Amino acid sequence: KQEVTQIPAALSVPEGENLVLNCSFTDSAIYNLQWFRQDPGKGLTSLLLIQSSQREQTSGRLNASLDKSSGRSTLYIAASQPGDSATYLCARVAGGSQGNLIFGKGTKLSVKP
Amino acid sequence: SAVISQKPSRDICQRGTSLTIQCQVDSQVTMMFWYRQQPGQSLTLIATANQGSEATYESGFVIDKFPISRPNLTFSTLTVSNMSPEDSSIYLCSVDRGQGRGYTFGSGTRLTVV
Repeated sequence: KQEVTQIPAALSVPEGENLVLNCSFTDSAIYNLQWFRQDPGKGLTSLLLIQSSQREQTSGRLNASLDKSSGRSTLYIAASQPGDSATYLCARVAGGSQGNLIFGKGTKLSVKP
Repeated sequence: SAVISQKPSRDICQRGTSLTIQCQVDSQVTMMFWYRQQPGQSLTLIATANQGSEATYESGFVIDKFPISRPNLTFSTLTVSNMSPEDSSIYLCSVDRGQGRGYTFGSGTRLTVV
């Protein structure tokens, strides 16, 4: 069974701190991995996509890495801001012909001013 | 890149009734995915909708409860039938934008059943 695990489940940091969110997955035959942000009661906003042939992607203050050998991905947020407060979800593409995403349970981030 | 318009954004419904959720994509896509997010939980795939064929449902989800239509390559609907309070969730549709650009989601439908 393909599973995605995110640690920690919740994180509270002061503004300006750098932080790392972790995502691990079973099944080393990973396709692509995507990080999303979800604000309370809202839909998902895509942050970064790492294709299976890539090791990292960067967008502004965000950097995501992928290590297939260890089954891990990390999302690094630099100089955190209160506006970064949200739930962060990582998801991997299911294998074979299914094409859907399999999600972790998310990390709820709170950045305090 | 694909943009999805999903509606309604939210609704409060009486138990025993049905609600149909619509997703319109601004480009043609082969597969559309429907997810459910129960309160405090992550997303769970309900079914995959392909144009011209029956939707494929995940374990625990059945067509009688969640009928899906996919009349063309840009549109799909999900109906939540005979609703109970346990159906209160956020429902989201999603497509793969293709060309290695990842998945995009509709803005979600927040359903409350009373």
